[in-house]
Amino acid sequence: ETGVTQSPTHLIKTRGQQVTLRCSSQSGHNTVSWYQQALGQGPQFIFQYYREEENGRGNFPPRFSGLQFPNYSSELNVNALELDDSALYLCASSLPTGGQETQYFGPGTRLLVL
Amino acid sequence: AQSVTQLGSHVSVSEGALVLLRCNYSSSVPPYLFWYVQYPNQGLQLLLKYTSAATLVKGINGFEAEFKKSETSFHLTKPSAHMSDAAEYFCAVKDSSYKLIFGSGTRLLVRP
Repeated sequence: ETGVTQSPTHLIKTRGQQVTLRCSSQSGHNTVSWYQQALGQGPQFIFQYYREEENGRGNFPPRFSGLQFPNYSSELNVNALELDDSALYLCASSLPTGGQETQYFGPGTRLLVL
Repeated sequence: AQSVTQLGSHVSVSEGALVLLRCNYSSSVPPYLFWYVQYPNQGLQLLLKYTSAATLVKGINGFEAEFKKSETSFHLTKPSAHMSDAAEYFCAVKDSSYKLIFGSGTRLLVRP
């Protein structure tokens, strides 16, 4: 157990809809990163939040957006869902220590877009 | 730009045999390297990480990995496979910035 929780565990949406995924960080961690893992692939970095500010972004379109709250929990929002958005979405929390910090992953939210 | 290559999408070993999962990285700066394991329908669990303190890194569940700069490799090994080791294994690299870059993963099958 990493202490990182995600909700919901599973979600089914239709193309064009919007979805919000939630992540609760490990206690004391002020950084959260989101990853998309398509079936049979490694996770791909979406973005990272540090103290409520976006701290870096991967190669994902603007319809992927996020928030981090004062208690360091986080949301991933995806607008105008596409079929290719079907994936496992993972969040990871960490405490920055100059790059060598460990990112602790939650169990993920599996999104299916029909 | 950093990248990771994992050779072999599937590796099959007999219970009790040596496990060797290969990882090669590309990085323009001294890398931080990680191995994660993913069991079915679960998130990622850290096995071990290399942060330049020692080239041979020991992790959980009897796994270890050796950093070889000359070969740009960070292969994962375990002397004796157990049925419970069957899972997907991911190698990842991170520089001093913020993101992890993962390989495509290797599925380990353990035969009884």
